[in-house]
Amino acid sequence: IQLTQSPSSLSASVGDRVTITCRASQGISSYLAWYQQKPGKAPKLLIYAASTLQSGVPSRFSGSGSGTDFTLTISSLQPEDFATYYCQQLNSYPSYTFGQGTKLEIK
Amino acid sequence: QVQLVQSGAEVKKPGASVKVSCKASGYTFTSYAMHWVRQAPGQRLEWMGWINAGNGNTKYSQKFQGRVTITRDTSASTAYMELSSLRSEDTAVYYCAREATISIGFDYYYYMDVWGKGTTVTVSS
Repeated sequence: IQLTQSPSSLSASVGDRVTITCRASQGISSYLAWYQQKPGKAPKLLIYAASTLQSGVPSRFSGSGSGTDFTLTISSLQPEDFATYYCQQLNSYPSYTFGQGTKLEIK
Repeated sequence: QVQLVQSGAEVKKPGASVKVSCKASGYTFTSYAMHWVRQAPGQRLEWMGWINAGNGNTKYSQKFQGRVTITRDTSASTAYMELSSLRSEDTAVYYCAREATISIGFDYYYYMDVWGKGTTVTVSS
């Protein structure tokens, strides 16, 4: 299963609403997770089961979608949100794949 | 608290093997599966394989089949990833990640909720 994220990079300002899309090459129900990765750090889980917020993650992050099309939305960008975001499919247990990433930069 | 502590950076020559460890603490090691994921410089995350820490069952990405071996030592709460026949393209940061499971309705959902800090492996002659 291939995952394609769009855009690959994005420039935005603090306070902006941002949406990142992840498209799967075949239906994966809601078996999708989103991670945030900052330079030199391990990925951090944000959302699992397509729309369930991981404990401790701010509520400005939200996920939606099922089947082949998914979105990650940040409702009001904060300075600490500038990072790279990856989607991951967990439909083909336990062989999981990641999207190519979306780099979110400060405008 | 739950954490995964990985072994230190490695420098290897082409053709050699590397074995990276991942020591778990703060939870029952055998109750969770462990994944290994790598990231080459500037590249996406790449899933390598998985071990059921309870029974030792493994599954590997086809890309690494035959070169990767994932094992665990339950007495030490440690998982290991060994990659052989190293080449320059294997230069990457290697992460271990715990797999969590949750039941929602009639379905089970999986995700990687705790990650190690990563181990840098450099392959160079």
